Amino acid sequence: GAVVSQHPSWVICKSGTSVKIECRSLDFQATTMFWYRQFPKQSLMLMATSNEGSKATYEQGVEKDKFLINHASLTLSTLTVTSAHPEDSSFYICSARGQARKTQYFGPGTRLLVL
Amino acid sequence: ILNVEQSPQSLHVQEGDSTNFTCSFPSSNFYALHWYRWETAKSPEALFVMTLNGDEKKKGRISATLNTKEGYSYLYIKGSQPEDSATYLCAFEGAQKLVFGQGTRLTINP
Repeated sequence: GAVVSQHPSWVICKSGTSVKIECRSLDFQATTMFWYRQFPKQSLMLMATSNEGSKATYEQGVEKDKFLINHASLTLSTLTVTSAHPEDSSFYICSARGQARKTQYFGPGTRLLVL
Repeated sequence: ILNVEQSPQSLHVQEGDSTNFTCSFPSSNFYALHWYRWETAKSPEALFVMTLNGDEKKKGRISATLNTKEGYSYLYIKGSQPEDSATYLCAFEGAQKLVFGQGTRLTINP
């Protein structure tokens, strides 16, 4: 149980385009979803937390207009990187937590390369 | 800024040997300490969530201890096997969010 999928697993795009990443909880209802980013040789860094039906809460230094998060249902959250630039190239990974659960369950991540 | 440190950064162990590594975290505002195993191209797998000082958890050949007063946790692997090769992450949970260490990359040599 507690499987989280994430798509796409990798994406290459041109500078200026927008990219959408989906995160789904397959066998449980995720009341809270989290989006992380990892740059090479660094730790996973939390970007934002979203609760189903509410606006996401962004960490300091993360532009909410650039990284649009939607958590419209209890099984799906999306992250859209708008007008992507080469400095947005990174590894993005989501996690999900059900109500009253202590554990966050992670997707496999998405590697984004912006040319 | 919360600082979570893991050591060593990487480790090579002979198959059959036992090993351990450390996670250091702030001792204040502690809620839980999480351990994950992360194999390449897969999702991080939750190993343990530890909340109580002195807690000790076990899953097969892997176990973990927790000291919240001094701010450290140890992860032990007994009788290492090639399938134990992975990056082991710890994460400190304070204000309802996780702060991760950089991980310990474990390689088991057959």
